[in-house]
Amino acid sequence: AQSVAQPEDQVNVAEGNPLTVKCTYSVSGNPYLFWYVQYPNRGLQFLLKYITGDNLVKGSYGFEAEFNKSQTSFHLKKPSALVSDSALYFCAVRDIGSNTDKLIFGTGTRLQVFP
Amino acid sequence: GAVVSQHPSRVICKSGTSVKIECRSLDFQATTMFWYRQFPKQSLMLMATSNEGSKATYEQGVEKDKFLINHASLTLSTLTVTSAHPEDSSFYICSARDEEVGYTGELFFGEGSRLTVL
Repeated sequence: AQSVAQPEDQVNVAEGNPLTVKCTYSVSGNPYLFWYVQYPNRGLQFLLKYITGDNLVKGSYGFEAEFNKSQTSFHLKKPSALVSDSALYFCAVRDIGSNTDKLIFGTGTRLQVFP
Repeated sequence: GAVVSQHPSRVICKSGTSVKIECRSLDFQATTMFWYRQFPKQSLMLMATSNEGSKATYEQGVEKDKFLINHASLTLSTLTVTSAHPEDSSFYICSARDEEVGYTGELFFGEGSRLTVL
């Protein structure tokens, strides 16, 4: 069964420092991978996706993610964190081999950026 | 990007009443919409896949008679929580994909509806 794992419940980083939010995936076929961000009491906003091609994907708000097939990872990164980046981040996967539109989410990682 | 509108954003109801939540794709057509439920400090749980013009597909463990889904047009899906009870209190989020983008497209999410059952 397809799944994603976000091993960290919370990540703390100082403003201006680089940040990494980890995600690993498990699918039977080739994955479509996504990152979303959620602010309090709001829906999810799309950040970026990996479908195929270049392993380094650039997305909204200066975020990027690197697809690593050998490590089955898709970590979210940003070179310089902002206080406004503080939010809940979700990794998600769609298994294209299963011929379904389902998007399976990880448990979420709360990012806290301190001034 | 595409916009998904969800209404109401907050609703409080008495136990035993039914509540309807609407999900609209404002500038695109969506044959398929998805309904998620999110518990406090937890991830999103897929409840069901809403299919335009046909029955919804429910995930295992989700009561279809409890959570009625109707997808009558290409831009509107509704979730009705019937005979709501306090344990149904949660944050419900809908999402949709722009059909023109295709299968590789990301989902666009509504702002969510917080249901509180007294």
